Amino acid sequence: KAGVTQTPRYLIKTRGQQVTLSCSPISGHRSVSWYQQTPGQGLQFLFEYFSETQRNKGNFPGRFSGRQFSNSRSEMNVSTLELGDSALYLCASSFGLAGGTPSYEQYFGPGTRLTVT
Amino acid sequence: KNEVEQSPQNLTAQEGEFITINCSYSVGISALHWLQQHPGGGIVSLFMLSSGKKKHGRLIATINIQEKHSSLHITASHPRDSAVYICAVRSTNTGNQFYFGTGTSLTVIP
Repeated sequence: KAGVTQTPRYLIKTRGQQVTLSCSPISGHRSVSWYQQTPGQGLQFLFEYFSETQRNKGNFPGRFSGRQFSNSRSEMNVSTLELGDSALYLCASSFGLAGGTPSYEQYFGPGTRLTVT
Repeated sequence: KNEVEQSPQNLTAQEGEFITINCSYSVGISALHWLQQHPGGGIVSLFMLSSGKKKHGRLIATINIQEKHSSLHITASHPRDSAVYICAVRSTNTGNQFYFGTGTSLTVIP
């Protein structure tokens, strides 16, 4: 079974631009979560989608948004990019809602490394 | 205030040594996860725990819900175990947020 795929793997953008990252979950998985990893803040939770609805959200400004399609693929968008948005963006998929009871195991993609100049 | 605290931050061990990484958390949780991240960024989920103990090969993870503490043990460590190990908890508070520890960087010397 194919793993979680993320595209693109690397991206360079300029301050003020916007960016869209894509995540394809493992076949049969209905939940996709997004995370940001920076050297200073470590891993931080962005949001989780399940059945095309955002179910959980971390403490990020509204410039960070996402959506999930009917085939469970997900996109994440960051508008008006800032230098501090430079990070590794990871998505993870799970069969059920990872942020619920019970909690389902997550499988991580390789990440998209975003550099904002 | 960090919801998840890990120790130690860095750990160097000789091949074959028994290793313990500790994780303490301050929020109510539905599950605790141990993650492994190798250089280059890829993250692998090692364990997901809500109670008791789990074992997979040379890795053992335990959790004490009352004390809000978990440990990851590696028996007979090997250089290929060198990685960053991250403890993460799924909170039952504040919208089911996922909180992460800062990670333990492990180096196993042959």
